[in-house]
Amino acid sequence: DSGVTQTPKHLITATGQRVTLRCSPRSGDLSVYWYQQSLDQGLQFLIQYYNGEERAKGNILERFSAQQFPDLHSELNLSSLELGDSALYFCASSWGQEETQYFGPGTRLLVL
Amino acid sequence: GQQLNQSPQSMFIQEGEDVSMNCTSSSIFNTWLWYKQDPGEGPVLLIALYKAGELTSNGRLTAQFGITRKDSFLNISASIPSDVGIYFCAGQMYGGSQGNLIFGKGTKLSVKP
Repeated sequence: DSGVTQTPKHLITATGQRVTLRCSPRSGDLSVYWYQQSLDQGLQFLIQYYNGEERAKGNILERFSAQQFPDLHSELNLSSLELGDSALYFCASSWGQEETQYFGPGTRLLVL
Repeated sequence: GQQLNQSPQSMFIQEGEDVSMNCTSSSIFNTWLWYKQDPGEGPVLLIALYKAGELTSNGRLTAQFGITRKDSFLNISASIPSDVGIYFCAGQMYGGSQGNLIFGKGTKLSVKP
């Protein structure tokens, strides 16, 4: 158990819908990272937050957004969902911005 | 997006055999990490390497940070059935706010008892 929690574990929805994925970092960690894992693209970095502020952006679509709240939990919002958005979404956390990242169990999203 | 070249893509070995996998990149990294992922689970950190040339062990696992900072390898000795899974290398660059990880595509390990 990494100490990072993610909810829900599974999510099935339809194209065009909007979903919110939630992540609680390890106790004391200030940085939260979101990654997408698909069969063809592997693990891809989406976005990083540090102590409530966005710090780095990777291959995140404009339809996706995230935020980190004062209690340091983070949410990833995916809107106008397409079939190709079906993937595993992982959250990772670290104490600072460059320390070792620990991954949560992931949310498996299926868009039908 | 940018990715590391990880090989082999898959391995089928007999229990008790040693395993070796590696990652190369055209970019220099400040940190190399090795993760293992079981089906339906998140990646679990196995070994973190912070200095060029560093050789680090964790039980039956040994990993090295290449001198050029562009490559790393992971060895597993005397494999056992629970070593089955997908192993990912990841590189991390510092500077600015770039703490995110760049991942290889993984090595899928199968172990025959």
